[in-house]
Amino acid sequence: GQQVMQIPQYQHVQEGEDFTTYCNSSTTLSNIQWYKQRPGGHPVFLIQLVKSGEVKKQKRLTFQFGEAKKNSSLHITATQTTDVGTYFCAGLGGGSNYKLTFGKGTLLTVNP
Amino acid sequence: DTEVTQTPKHLVMGMTNKKSLKCEQHMGHRAMYWYKQKAKKPPELMFVYSYEKLSINESVPSRFSPECPNSSLLNLHLHALQPEDSALYLCASSQVDLGKQYFGPGTRLTVT
Repeated sequence: GQQVMQIPQYQHVQEGEDFTTYCNSSTTLSNIQWYKQRPGGHPVFLIQLVKSGEVKKQKRLTFQFGEAKKNSSLHITATQTTDVGTYFCAGLGGGSNYKLTFGKGTLLTVNP
Repeated sequence: DTEVTQTPKHLVMGMTNKKSLKCEQHMGHRAMYWYKQKAKKPPELMFVYSYEKLSINESVPSRFSPECPNSSLLNLHLHALQPEDSALYLCASSQVDLGKQYFGPGTRLTVT
């Protein structure tokens, strides 16, 4: 079945450093969604990418969808303590793989 | 109103008890979901309702019984649970099936 791998599992950075998390799917995706979950909180939607090669920016966050629609990345520039949390990608498969599969998440901690 | 509400926030139940989790959204979303999330793991999809009809059941044991009384409400009936069912149960809704999801704060369930 469809699998979505996400790396790294953990990332600890100093405030001001950049951070990137990567997702790879075993199958071509219809779209990929990104969520952030603060410690003790619930997942909050960040963005959805649909088009091959798409790049979207939200302030210090940059999201990319690969040309083959099988991989994606989230890059945060100049991290802040408010960026702490677990970042999940969730890939929506197409055709017979029509299901939303979450990656295992990347836990980001930021040292002030 | 972009909020999904869930009650109760916390629930402790014995293995012979029957209890229900409730979820409500007033965004006019057509799809509603139940997820189970264990600590340090991604949300795991349990059920999807689309237009008040069960569209996806991810092979969930029958001790979990979902119900969608109307387009705004989603319940999860619990009976004869096991200690390994202890987890955070998240409800979510979306405008389109498996699209951008709004998560509720969750019910933290402990089975003793």
